[in-house]
Amino acid sequence: KAGVTQTPRYLIKTRGQQVTLSCSPISGHRSVSWYQQTPGQGLQFLFEYFSETQRNKGNFPGRFSGRQFSNSRSEMNVSTLELGDSALYLCASSTGTGANTEAFFGQGTRLTVV
Amino acid sequence: AQSVTQLGSHVSVSEGALVLLRCNYSSSVPPYLFWYVQYPNQGLQLLLKYTTGATLVKGINGFEAEFKKSETSFHLTKPSAHMSDAAEYFCAVSHYGGATNKLIFGTGTLLAVQP
Repeated sequence: KAGVTQTPRYLIKTRGQQVTLSCSPISGHRSVSWYQQTPGQGLQFLFEYFSETQRNKGNFPGRFSGRQFSNSRSEMNVSTLELGDSALYLCASSTGTGANTEAFFGQGTRLTVV
Repeated sequence: AQSVTQLGSHVSVSEGALVLLRCNYSSSVPPYLFWYVQYPNQGLQLLLKYTTGATLVKGINGFEAEFKKSETSFHLTKPSAHMSDAAEYFCAVSHYGGATNKLIFGTGTLLAVQP
């Protein structure tokens, strides 16, 4: 069974640009969550999508957005990049049937903003 | 609001020694608790989880954790450390009864294993 796939693995962008990250969940999983990991702030929840609907959202500015497609694949977009957006972005998929279900994480996309 | 506190950002043990990583939670409702491990440049892998039932939970790679409601703790232990256990460990809580899979993570503990 294939795991969670995130593309690309590494990205370098310039301040002010925008970026799109992709996540393909495990087959059959309908929930996709996104997290930002930085040395200073640790792991922070960005948002969760379930069956193409945003089910929960973290405390991030509107420059961070996401969406989910009918095949459960998800993308997140960051517009007007700032240096502070440099981070490891992790995607997690689960069946989404309850808060006690296991979340499976991808290897992440490391975004560097210069 | 739920939160998780991990005491000790860095822990160093000798190979073969006991591993003890501390996690305390704050929750007004019964929590679901998780321990994840992260190796360098990798995502997170679930070690174990507590939902309901038995308070002593066994996980992968010889790790276990005990849910203690009176102490609001969920410490992770392993009787004998291996070099391969060197990694960062995260405790997390999710909301009981909620439809969301949102996880709230602690700040992590970096485990070093000395030969």
